[in-house]
Amino acid sequence: EVQLVESGGGLVQPGGSLRLSCAASGFTFSYYSMIWVRQAPGKGLEWVSYISSSASTIQYADSVKGRFSISRDNAKNSLYLQINSLRAEDTAVYYCARQSTMAQFDPWGQGTLVTVSS
Amino acid sequence: QSALTQPASVSGSPGQSITISCTGTSSDIGGYNYVSWYQQHPGKAPKLMIYDVSNRPSGVSNRFSGSKSGNTASLTISGLQAEDEADYYCSSYATSTTPYVFGTGTKVTVL
Repeated sequence: EVQLVESGGGLVQPGGSLRLSCAASGFTFSYYSMIWVRQAPGKGLEWVSYISSSASTIQYADSVKGRFSISRDNAKNSLYLQINSLRAEDTAVYYCARQSTMAQFDPWGQGTLVTVSS
Repeated sequence: QSALTQPASVSGSPGQSITISCTGTSSDIGGYNYVSWYQQHPGKAPKLMIYDVSNRPSGVSNRFSGSKSGNTASLTISGLQAEDEADYYCSSYATSTTPYVFGTGTKVTVL
């Protein structure tokens, strides 16, 4: 079964940092590009970041550029998102998803909640 | 990059057909056939329903279909069922510093 499991979320103070992880199983992780998408409480989906299969191409949403860093470890079948200088507006559930083609984000993990509050 | 525009809510009775629109610009929906649709039940992760405008992934009911005309994409659900009650989001590749944009989301209610 293809599965993605996120972890690493939690309560953090403004200005703080967190490292989110996404563990992949059931498919050849190194063959696929991966993305992060977030969803603020009661709000819609927001694309956050992309990393190609070999990590040669990385992209970020303007809203997180310079503060977030995406990476991957193909040997460990894992995807990461380092989030720094956290703001209240970064409070959201963060999902990882596999990107099969230009318009195919599937499947998605169950998400991990990041809450930024003092 | 602004979010794609969707109606906030659409409703229908069981067995009916409904259509959800997703309006963008020539820099996203109108410029590429990279439109996808996602279903999200409360408290759950999104699920891919349609990709590349009109393709259904394996396992998705053929009651779901997608199309595009100009800068507007559409998702049609035919034979509406109670289990279809959920939030639906469109997404498109975009010529922008942020390469993907999602829609504002549509809540589908089965009456």
